[in-house]
Amino acid sequence: SAVISQKPSRDICQRGTSLTIQCQVDSQVTMMFWYRQQPGQSLTLIATANQGSEATYESGFVIDKFPISRPNLTFSTLTVSNMSPEDSSIYLCSVEGPGAYNEQFFGPGTRLTVL
Amino acid sequence: GENVEQHPSTLSVQEGDSAVIKCTYSDSASNYFPWYKQELGKGPQLIIDIRSNVGEKKDQRIAVTLNKTAKHFSLHITETQPEDSAVYFCAASTRGTYKYIFGTGTRLKVLA
Repeated sequence: SAVISQKPSRDICQRGTSLTIQCQVDSQVTMMFWYRQQPGQSLTLIATANQGSEATYESGFVIDKFPISRPNLTFSTLTVSNMSPEDSSIYLCSVEGPGAYNEQFFGPGTRLTVL
Repeated sequence: GENVEQHPSTLSVQEGDSAVIKCTYSDSASNYFPWYKQELGKGPQLIIDIRSNVGEKKDQRIAVTLNKTAKHFSLHITETQPEDSAVYFCAASTRGTYKYIFGTGTRLKVLA
């Protein structure tokens, strides 16, 4: 499976500020995904990011709050904008697997605390 | 809407015993069911998956079973070891959508 890295691994931010999270993959992938995992909770898909097109957002998530870039087949960024304490979560990127079915492989996550 | 229920939320077993985690899905179009293990401070790791055209799959000490009629699937871990302690998530997906519906997670503790 692909090797996925995320930066930063963790951060503590002040409310009202923005943080950009980077996701780097060691191989080219068409589809990348961004998830949120609130403390002690399950994973919720924020958006799907395909190279060369606008990200597709899930219900409850909007581009103004979570802008996403996908400049090439190995890299994506997620920005958490105008943060509030409710944004404190783990943010995870994942990538599609090589198989015919829908395998996804996750990065290590970015642990965000908003004060 | 689409939903995946997962039970139990916590599970403690003695080392060497077996552990079983069960999930039920609502969307009859779901045809791919992965299981993830998430250790503290790490991202979820895919440990086993099953497609809707098979009823059981095994990989060493872990196995997954699928009952399409009842819309439920289960993770079985035999001969548990302390390093199996983690949070386990099931998920359901429909081919071509790439959208996963995750279960709520099971915190497994293996007691030495």
